[in-house]
Amino acid sequence: DTAVSQTPKYLVTQMGNDKSIKCEQNLGHDTMYWYKQDSKKFLKIMFSYNNKELIINETVPNRFSPKSPDKAHLNLHINSLELGDSAVYFCASSHGAGGARNQPQHFGDGTRLSIL
Amino acid sequence: AQSVTQPDIHITVSEGASLELRCNYSYGATPYLFWYVQSPGQGLQLLLKYFSGDTLVQGIKGFEAEFKRSQSSFNLRKPSVHWSDAAEYFCAGRKAAGNKLTFGGGTRVLVKP
Repeated sequence: DTAVSQTPKYLVTQMGNDKSIKCEQNLGHDTMYWYKQDSKKFLKIMFSYNNKELIINETVPNRFSPKSPDKAHLNLHINSLELGDSAVYFCASSHGAGGARNQPQHFGDGTRLSIL
Repeated sequence: AQSVTQPDIHITVSEGASLELRCNYSYGATPYLFWYVQSPGQGLQLLLKYFSGDTLVQGIKGFEAEFKRSQSSFNLRKPSVHWSDAAEYFCAGRKAAGNKLTFGGGTRVLVKP
């Protein structure tokens, strides 16, 4: 009965590889997000999708490409991984584009990505 | 630009003592405000939220927060801390009509026996 689930929980890989992180939510939300938490615990939004449409795209290298096959899923693909990509990536979901319905975002447990 | 600031990076408190975590925001209009807690190796759990109305909001785990427009603050409080409250706490805000959450830098709470 997990609300927002991410896989894998841990990902260790070498520089230059391509990897994907998957996220699924069963809350019936129509908006999903990816956040990056760096080594100093600072959290910053990367992307947001509403009903499979990209609505937030922060200044993120184009090696990062989100994909939303349906409104319950938002995957993150990263090409040519670099040392600086090491971080914890959090998926989140909520109701409503434009902040409708006054709903908070619900977060997954995170994916810890380590680049060797 | 919108911002959320948590002035305290670390706070150490004795078990059973009271706790207050500070959060200041800078938005053009009153934002929606949230407090999340992150236990070691875990995701973020929502403690409480403020959208409008009563400026004192109650959350889970015995936490409460008070919105003070005059001070642009949304401080989190708990009257008596338990050892299990040791965690990282994040204040976050967003525009009423937006989706983008802006987080403060976090405050790490250590609980002494």
